[in-house]
Amino acid sequence: DVKVTQSSRYLVKRTGEKVFLECVQDMDHENMFWYRQDPGLGLRLIYFSYDVKMKEKGDIPEGYSVSREKKERFSLILESASTNQTSMYLCASSPPGTSGGRPNNEQFFGPGTRLTVL
Amino acid sequence: GDSVTQMEGPVTLSEEAFLTINCTYTATGYPSLFWYVQYPGEGLQLLLKATKADDKGSNKGFEATYRKETTSFHLEKGSVQVSDSAVYFCALRNDYKLSFGAGTTVTVRA
Repeated sequence: DVKVTQSSRYLVKRTGEKVFLECVQDMDHENMFWYRQDPGLGLRLIYFSYDVKMKEKGDIPEGYSVSREKKERFSLILESASTNQTSMYLCASSPPGTSGGRPNNEQFFGPGTRLTVL
Repeated sequence: GDSVTQMEGPVTLSEEAFLTINCTYTATGYPSLFWYVQYPGEGLQLLLKATKADDKGSNKGFEATYRKETTSFHLEKGSVQVSDSAVYFCALRNDYKLSFGAGTTVTVRA
């Protein structure tokens, strides 16, 4: 079974703190993703990475950065946490590839980190 | 850009009732379509998927058919159980990205 783990289930930080959220996957997947989940908004993509040291902005990258130094690990960094970054953060990974020219590989999700910024 | 619209919840049902959650999408090209489920306190799990028009995805008694003409991927289950209580997300995939609907909370009462 694919396993995606996240370093913390719950985290409480103060405004202005630098926050690191860690994600590790054990299936040698090329692609990794960070989402935030908010009620009524579903999941929104923050950043993704399709290879070591490669990253691309998602739909809501402002206030975040990422790091991918090793294939299995993808870190999300909040440079200066703010209260509007209180959310559930979900990491995911997937292998590359298509079928018949269509992307069809599922993404495997971690359990999530519920971050509260006070 | 790509977008997914799913029916708002919450939805409350009795055991053995019929469940349907509507999902429509807007996308360029030929996306793949997914339903994910999130049980309380857990991450998202893939429930079913379909990669081309008229494909039917099915799993655990749930079904959804990829309808290109109506740009829809509605989720159905004929007889729900208490254990089906969860949040359900419709999603589409173009290239690397998954675009998600807002999620529908389903509660099944015994």
